[in-house]
Amino acid sequence: EIVMTQSPATLSVSPGERATLSCRASQSVSSNLAWYQQKPGQAPRLLIYGASTRATGIPARFSGSGSGTEFTLTISSLQSEDFAVYYCQQYNNWPPTWTFGQGTKVEIK
Amino acid sequence: EVQLVESGGGLVQPGGSLRLSCAASGFTFSSYEMNWVRQAPGKGLEWVSYISSSGSTIYYADSVKGRFTISRDNAKNSLYLQMNSLRAEDTAVYYCAKMGRDGYHDYWGQGTLVTVSS
Repeated sequence: EIVMTQSPATLSVSPGERATLSCRASQSVSSNLAWYQQKPGQAPRLLIYGASTRATGIPARFSGSGSGTEFTLTISSLQSEDFAVYYCQQYNNWPPTWTFGQGTKVEIK
Repeated sequence: EVQLVESGGGLVQPGGSLRLSCAASGFTFSSYEMNWVRQAPGKGLEWVSYISSSGSTIYYADSVKGRFTISRDNAKNSLYLQMNSLRAEDTAVYYCAKMGRDGYHDYWGQGTLVTVSS
């Protein structure tokens, strides 16, 4: 089973600052990595797929990078609506399973 | 506009059963793979079960294998999750999620809460 590990667990950032979130896979998942944003009481929302492709309607301040086992989600200039929990998810292994990281909470500093 | 609406959650005793439904609209349901994903209170996301577009291929997480059954009715644009032998650790919000071209989830329902408690 592929284990996804996100760091840090909590990230305190001031509005307008840059946020960098990390996700590590226990074995290579190639570029089969997605990022989701979840706000309290809401369903997750797809931000990034294929490690670096923004989903429809996602602002350009969100960017993803990495391949293999190391991935990064960068929010270039945090807006008030970006404070949320972010999850990475791999979709590479066979037989198919979909595993998520434990999440990174981005909070207001 | 893609919409996924779950229903069927509620309070059930340990050992009981529940059937969740997910009504899909705004896309050609029969062309897309679907997943159920759950989230225990205050916890992260956990994949539960997968079904192919035709329903011919199905996978389950080890934690629910033998107890849960996923199915779909493409004529009714609906996805289902039959949950039997429910345990306290199955307590969670259950989301149905449409899969994109690969294995990511591009649309999610609002979720339905299942509480297993005596």
